Amino acid sequence: AQTVTQSQPEMSVQEAETVTLSCTYDTSESDYYLFWYKQPPSRQMILVIRQEAYKQQNATENRFSVNFQKAAKSFSLKISDSQLGDAAMYFCAYGVFTGNQFYFGTGTSLTVIP
Amino acid sequence: SQTIHQWPATLVQPVGSPLSLECTVEGTSNPNLYWYRQAAGRGLQLLFYSIGIDQISSEVPQNLSASRPQDRQFILSSKKLLLSDSGFYLCAWSFYKTSGVNFGPGTRLTVT
Repeated sequence: AQTVTQSQPEMSVQEAETVTLSCTYDTSESDYYLFWYKQPPSRQMILVIRQEAYKQQNATENRFSVNFQKAAKSFSLKISDSQLGDAAMYFCAYGVFTGNQFYFGTGTSLTVIP
Repeated sequence: SQTIHQWPATLVQPVGSPLSLECTVEGTSNPNLYWYRQAAGRGLQLLFYSIGIDQISSEVPQNLSASRPQDRQFILSSKKLLLSDSGFYLCAWSFYKTSGVNFGPGTRLTVT
């Protein structure tokens, strides 16, 4: 079974600083998809960044980047120049290549300190 | 563009009562559809997914069921609610796996 683990229930960062959120996953598949989603207080889930397992290059989207370590099954999210609007719950997710399921972790609540 | 609707937004139901949550997607055909539940400390739990009309896969055995009577309609039901069914229920759709899932606004269910 595929599982996604986020070991940091809560994190905080000073405004303008950098923070890294951790995620590990367990799978027996060689190809799959990885995602980070943001859930602000409005509770609307927003896709932040995605990575395909066969791509070695780490994905970046403006201030958001990932550190994808396939052998270690690790997929961390780095937020640079943190802004107050980055405060939210962040979920790591895994997409099955041979199926249609998407599995999510337990989330990390990020607080941005002004 | 695609839009996903969920209703109701909030619901308070007594234990033992039935449940029906509805989700519809606009702007796409034959999407994969999903029901997730978000409970405190448990993240997003995949409950059901569907790849087509009347094609439902269950991820977690429980007293909930799902149906897809039309291409872009997905319904979550229960005959008798339990206290443990309380949570935030999210419907989602996907077309391309590489794009992940797109979520609706969610339904807050409180079972009393």
